[in-house]
Amino acid sequence: EADIYQTPRYLVIGTGKKITLECSQTMGHDKMYWYQQDPGMELHLIHYSYGVNSTEKGDLSSESTVSRIRTEHFPLTLESARPSHTSQYLCASSPPLPWGNEKLFFGSGTQLSVL
Amino acid sequence: AQKVTQAQTEISVVEKEDVTLDCVYETRDTTYYLFWYKQPPSGELVFLIRRNSFDEQNEISGRYSWNFQKSTSSFNFTITASQVVDSAVYFCALSEALSGNTPLVFGKGTRLSVIA
Repeated sequence: EADIYQTPRYLVIGTGKKITLECSQTMGHDKMYWYQQDPGMELHLIHYSYGVNSTEKGDLSSESTVSRIRTEHFPLTLESARPSHTSQYLCASSPPLPWGNEKLFFGSGTQLSVL
Repeated sequence: AQKVTQAQTEISVVEKEDVTLDCVYETRDTTYYLFWYKQPPSGELVFLIRRNSFDEQNEISGRYSWNFQKSTSSFNFTITASQVVDSAVYFCALSEALSGNTPLVFGKGTRLSVIA
C-alpha cells in the first residue's frame, strides 16, 4: 500500500487567511491529485500533476493553486480563504501504470472550515 | 465525454440482506477501466476493484461481487449478507486509456447504511 499523508486533518480559519494544505507520498508516484468533496459526497477534481513542474486545473473552478517542486510533495494553497471554501479536501496519488489503469491511493483528507 | 452515473444516492438495508449498488457509465473510448472505491466514515477512499473494458468476466471477492455488462454500460456492485462494517459511501469511477491525460472520473457516490 502507498503511504500518503495529509496535514492538517482539521482546520478552522477566518475569512481572508492564506492557508496551505499539505500532501506527501512516500511511494515515488508521479501522478498526484487534489479533490474537493462537498457535503453531498460528490468528488470534484480541482488540480492534478503528472510529475515535477507539471500542474493542471481540474473540472471545478477553484481559487486555489498548487505546486509540484518535488515528486513526493503536492501542496494546495488558498491565498484568501472564504466560507465557500469550507469542504473536505482529498489528496491522491497513483503509480506510473499505463493510462487509465491507475489505482488511486488516497490520503485521509483535510476538513477545512472557513468562518 | 466520459460520465459515471450512480442513480442511488442512499440505500438502507438490514444486516444480512443482499444489496446491489448500480453504476452506469458513458465513454467513447474502446479501451477504458472501471473502478469501485469505498469511503468509510473515517474519510479515506479505499480501492476495491479495477476492471478493463476487454474483460467482462464477473468477479467475486468474498461477500463482494461485480457484474460488468458492456451491452448496458453498467458495472454493478453487490454485497452479499451485508454487515454493519459495510456502511460507507461507495464510488464508481471510469478512466479512459486512449483519450490522453484524463484523470479518473467519479460518480456522485451511493451512501450505504447497514442497520443491525
